[in-house]
Amino acid sequence: AQSVAQPEDQVNVAEGNPLTVKCTYSVSGNPYLFWYVQYPNRGLQFLLKYITGDNLVKGSYGFEAEFNKSQTSFHLKKPSALVSDSALYFCAVRDFQTGANNLFFGTGTRLTVIP
Amino acid sequence: DAEITQSPRHKITETGRQVTLACHQTWNHNNMFWYRQDLGHGLRLIHYSYGVQDTNKGEVSDGYSVSRSNTEDLPLTLESAASSQTSVYFCASSEDRVGGELFFGEGSRLTVL
Repeated sequence: AQSVAQPEDQVNVAEGNPLTVKCTYSVSGNPYLFWYVQYPNRGLQFLLKYITGDNLVKGSYGFEAEFNKSQTSFHLKKPSALVSDSALYFCAVRDFQTGANNLFFGTGTRLTVIP
Repeated sequence: DAEITQSPRHKITETGRQVTLACHQTWNHNNMFWYRQDLGHGLRLIHYSYGVQDTNKGEVSDGYSVSRSNTEDLPLTLESAASSQTSVYFCASSEDRVGGELFFGEGSRLTVL
């Protein structure tokens, strides 16, 4: 069965420093991987996705993620954190090859950027 | 601009009552989804629909039902509300069934007393 793990419930980073939010996955076959962000009292917003091609994916708001098949990881990164990046981040996977065409979400990582 | 709206945004109800959460999207997407968000669980899929008259059970469908009579709406019904169904509920839609992004509503916070 497919699954997604976000090993850190909370990540704190100083403004201007690089940030990483970790995600590992387990699927049969090739995964479709996604990152979403949730600001307080709002719905989730799409950041970026990996389906095929270049392992480094660029997305909204200066975020990027690196797909690593050997480590089954899809970590979210940003070179320089902003206070406005503080939010809840979700990694998700879709394993269409097993017929499960729906997203399975991780438990989320709360990112706090300290001024 | 196209959007997806949920109502009510907040609701308090009592155990055993029937509750319906509305979801309306103007994206003209065929694919619609209901998720619930709980601390420690992330988002879990309740029901989904790939088009009019199509409904499917998700990971946590017990105690919930949906109907799809048109493209725009996917109401979620709790037949007999239970305290375990206290949660934040999110509706989402997508154009592409497989690789497309989901567009989420603002959420409906339901408290069952």
